Amino acid sequence: QSALTQPASVSGSPGQSITFSCTGTSSDVGTSNQVSWYQQHPGKAPKQLIYDVSNRPFGVSNRFSGSKSGNTASLTISGLQAEDEADYYCSSYTKRGPSYVFGTGTKVTVL
Amino acid sequence: EVQLMESGGGLVQPGGSLRLSCTVSGFTFSTYWMHWVRQVPGKGLVWVSNVNPDEKFTHYADSVKGRFTVSRDNAKSTLYLEVNNLKAEDTAVYYCVRDMFGPDDFWGQGTLVTVSS
Repeated sequence: QSALTQPASVSGSPGQSITFSCTGTSSDVGTSNQVSWYQQHPGKAPKQLIYDVSNRPFGVSNRFSGSKSGNTASLTISGLQAEDEADYYCSSYTKRGPSYVFGTGTKVTVL
Repeated sequence: EVQLMESGGGLVQPGGSLRLSCTVSGFTFSTYWMHWVRQVPGKGLVWVSNVNPDEKFTHYADSVKGRFTVSRDNAKSTLYLEVNNLKAEDTAVYYCVRDMFGPDDFWGQGTLVTVSS
């Protein structure tokens, strides 16, 4: 099961909005509504930000939003804050297996 | 308060075995799919295995099929991962996860497995 492709790093200034991608195939992102996004700070367990492509769990800030087009999912962080500096992973159900696959991870830096 | 506590990790020689446990509290364990996810320190997340609430269905990543076995004891609110024939590339932090991909997603803090001679 090959990992989904994410940009290695993205940066932005406080208050800006950033969007980054998660590219899969027609066997996973393209045909699955089970696409999630996770935030992970150093030394901590991942925290879910988005599930089912665009839904936010209770308690997650509305500055985080998700979308999908074709084989690519995207995460947007609005009003970037210093605490958003972390690693971000997408994930998707895949028909190969069946199983689940994570993205390669994107490091977000707040300038 | 929801809690997931992994245990059982440690240093093991190549070819060795371990049983990882994840003891939960604060929710009805018997109603949730449970997952294992691993992460090599400094690297990305990799899904390993999952099991449905009544243990009728289990799934594994290709890299661990035939070597890892997931199970659960709903009476003890505990999830297990039996890891056999360990290889150096199995070195990772192993997380147990409740309802991964759903609105009730919740992760433990992980247990480190180190495979080395």
